[in-house]
This record gives sequence, C-alpha cells and structure tokens, in this order.
Amino acid sequence: GAVVSQHPSRVICKSGTSVKIECRSLDFQATTMFWYRQFPKQSLMLMATSNEGSKATYEQGVEKDKFLINHASLTLSTLTVTSAHPEDSSFYICSARGGRQGAGGTEAFFGQGTRLTVV
Amino acid sequence: SQQGEEDPQALSIQEGENATMNCSYKTSINNLQWYRQNSGRGLVHLILIRSNEREKHSGRLRVTLDTSKKSSSLLITASRAADTASYFCATAAQAGTALIFGKGTTLSVSS
Repeated sequence: GAVVSQHPSRVICKSGTSVKIECRSLDFQATTMFWYRQFPKQSLMLMATSNEGSKATYEQGVEKDKFLINHASLTLSTLTVTSAHPEDSSFYICSARGGRQGAGGTEAFFGQGTRLTVV
Repeated sequence: SQQGEEDPQALSIQEGENATMNCSYKTSINNLQWYRQNSGRGLVHLILIRSNEREKHSGRLRVTLDTSKKSSSLLITASRAADTASYFCATAAQAGTALIFGKGTTLSVSS
C-alpha cells in the first residue's frame, strides 16, 4: 500500500504553546487528507477533512481556530494545535486519499499517529 | 459523529479459538473496512468489503456484510497471541470520503 508518514510520533509541550504535526504522503499525491483524534481507550473521531489548496472542513464541535489545518501541497498537510491545554492531550492520526490507483481511490492510508502530551 | 457500534466491546479467548466481532452502522455505505490497532500505535488495514459484496476472505480473516441489516462481522480463525489488539470497523458513505469509525472491540488472546 501507499505510505503516509506522520511526524513527530511523540511530542510533549507546555500549556499555552503551539504544536505542529506533519502528515506526508511519500509515494503518491494526496488530494484529500483527514485528521482524527483518539483519546485513550476510545475510537478515532474525525476532526476535519482537508483538500489541497482549499480550506479544511471541520466536524461539528471541533474548533477551527484551535486546530489549524493547512494542506498547501499534494504531499503535505499540517495540523497545528494552538494554545495547547492538557485536555488536548491525545493521539492524532492523519490519513490520506489519492493513491496509485488514481483519484478517488477507496482505501485510506494512515500515518503512524502522533501522541501529544500537554503538561 | 460515530457511525459504527462494535460488539462485543471486549473479548478474551484462548489461542487457537476463533474470534468474532460484529459491527453495526446507521447510514448507507459505499464500503466498510476493518482495522487493527495495537496499543498506542497506528492503524493496520485488514480488509475492505464493498457494499455490493457479501463476504470476503483474507488469510485467517473472514468478513461478512449484510447491508439490509447494516451490519458486518469479522471472524479471525485460529487466533494467536499476536492477534491481541483493538479492532475497528470503519465505513465510508461514498468512495473516497472520510472513514467513520466504530467504537472498537478489544481482543485479548492468551496462550
């Protein structure tokens, strides 16, 4: 399958600071990327969908000013958690669509996830 | 919003036994996928079944889909300790749209 690289895998930051998480599609062009959040022992919750070159679409209840998503190229999307608080501590996972099969590929390829801890 | 509900929430079995997990969803789908997640790690894609398919096999995995009941099942045969993980179903309303995940089943296989 196609490769999606997410960086960093772990990050610890202080309350009030911002953290940027990168999601890269290494061997295909990702026209769409999705960002998920997973709290301990829970499932993945979709946060937002980003299409290259346009503004992200956020799910209900997700603060767009707090979780800034940029998808400036076909291989890179970033999620910035601004003014982080301890309750933002979570596992963040991206997935990308595009694929070698061509646009509209069905399978989603996931990054390895980023464990964010805000102290 | 979450689409799927997995059942059971937790399952403990012995090595060699079969494990069956069920998933129900609420709206029409294009496809349903199953993923595995080891503790604290990323997702591993197991299998995808499309809405016009009823059953699919991959190695020790067997997935069924009943669109009339809006449900799917994942069967792992001859389980191994290495199968210990959380398993999630995820549905896509249309091809290429965001996957919506169920709550997951935590499987524990003891040797």
